[in-house]
Amino acid sequence: DTGVSQDPRHKITKRGQNVTFRCDPISEHNRLYWYRQTLGQGPEFLTYFQNEAQLEKSRLLSDRFSAERPKGSFSTLEIQRTEQGDSAMYLCASSRGDRLGDTQYFGPGTRLTVL
Amino acid sequence: AQTVTQSQPEMSVQEAETVTLSCTYDTSESDYYLFWYKQPPSRQMILVIRQEAYKQQNATENRFSVNFQKAAKSFSLKISDSQLGDAAMYFCAYSNSGGYQKVTFGTGTKLQVIP
Repeated sequence: DTGVSQDPRHKITKRGQNVTFRCDPISEHNRLYWYRQTLGQGPEFLTYFQNEAQLEKSRLLSDRFSAERPKGSFSTLEIQRTEQGDSAMYLCASSRGDRLGDTQYFGPGTRLTVL
Repeated sequence: AQTVTQSQPEMSVQEAETVTLSCTYDTSESDYYLFWYKQPPSRQMILVIRQEAYKQQNATENRFSVNFQKAAKSFSLKISDSQLGDAAMYFCAYSNSGGYQKVTFGTGTKLQVIP
């Protein structure tokens, strides 16, 4: 069990550029979540996948954000035309999905800085 | 919508002493899950303890225990015999029992452990 991994760990970009983050969940986990965490706040839910299906998206996820999970394995989160307000830590979590209230295991996060 | 409130932005405790972190939540559901997560500086978030709302018995995990008061919608975390490694941000979190179990986090309490 290697845990949830995220790549890159840090990303600095200029406003207006596109960025893509990757999350590799724990191998047997079929649920995958994306959260955003700004300084001094708790994580806020962005979106959720059950296997390859994206089943829920937060209102926080504007049209500039898109997430995919092809084949129900790794997931990518893309932000188009980045804005300074997108600067945050983007966290990925996964869970087995085999029972109610199952534990979500978090990755180390990708810290995005938009200049 | 569910909300989670942590009214203590920062707490400190002397090493080997006991500290209690407070959390209140608001929900109209009768069945749900509550969690305490720990986020050390620059490290990933890990689960400390979880509580099923239908269980009257308070959860315990080694030096960590909770005081779950369902009627008062209160869920405090007690850390006994505090250790330097306990220094971290602690997030209280709530999850519905149905659907995809989106987790709602509080704003966190920063715990300092004084040697």
